Amino acid sequence: GAGVSQSPSNKVTEKGKDVELRCDPISGHTALYWYRQSLGQGLEFLIYFQGNSAPDKSGLPSDRFSAERTGGSVSTLTIQRTQQEDSAVYLCASSLASRRGDYGYTFGSGTRLTVV
Amino acid sequence: GQSLEQPSEVTAVEGAIVQINCTYQTSGFYGLSWYQQHDGGAPTFLSYNALDGLEETGRFSSFLSRSDSYGYLLLQELQMKDSASYFCAVRDKGYGQNFVFGPGTRLSVLP
Repeated sequence: GAGVSQSPSNKVTEKGKDVELRCDPISGHTALYWYRQSLGQGLEFLIYFQGNSAPDKSGLPSDRFSAERTGGSVSTLTIQRTQQEDSAVYLCASSLASRRGDYGYTFGSGTRLTVV
Repeated sequence: GQSLEQPSEVTAVEGAIVQINCTYQTSGFYGLSWYQQHDGGAPTFLSYNALDGLEETGRFSSFLSRSDSYGYLLLQELQMKDSASYFCAVRDKGYGQNFVFGPGTRLSVLP
C-alpha cells in the first residue's frame, strides 16, 4: 500500500483481556518495527523484524507481549491479560533495509490502546 | 545503558532560527536520525547523519559530531506549522536498523 496501515485506530479493553493490534507495512519494506508511546513521552522500542531473520525481541516489556510477522508482510502484536499500564499509542513502522541505515522509518498512525 | 538527552521544550517566533540539541550515550553508534511529530500524528522522518558535519534539506539542517556524541537539528525561517515534537534517534547496532529514540523536544512557534 501507499503507507503503513494500522488497525484498529482506537481500542478500549477491560483489564485482563487480550488484544491484537495489526500492522500492514509498505509493500517491499523488509524491516518492520513496533514502538509504543505514552502520552507526552518518547518512543519505546518493542520488537524488530528483518526479512527472514529471527526478530529482535529485546524491547518487549514482559512475556504478556508477543508479535509475529506472517509471510514477511503483515504483523500482529498481541498483548495478553492487559494491564492499565499497557495504555499507550502503539506505533508500527517499516523501512527498506540498508547497511547504512539511511532509510528512515515510515510510521503508521498508530493504535491508541486504553485499558480500563 | 542507552541514553539520549534533548531539551524538553523550546519556544521561538515565526521567521526565527532554532537549534534543538541531542546528546547520546549508547553502546554503539552508526548514525543519528531526526523525526518530527505533530500532535496526534505519526512521527515523520527528517534526516539521517552517519558522518560528521552538516546535512541540509531545505529549511532544515542536521549536524553530527561523533567525537562529542552530539548532534543538532537546525530549523530556519520558522513557520507556525513547525510547531511539533522533534525526536533524535540513534542507530546503535551495525547489523540491524533498530534506532533508540530520545525523549523528544516540543517546539512552539509563536506569531
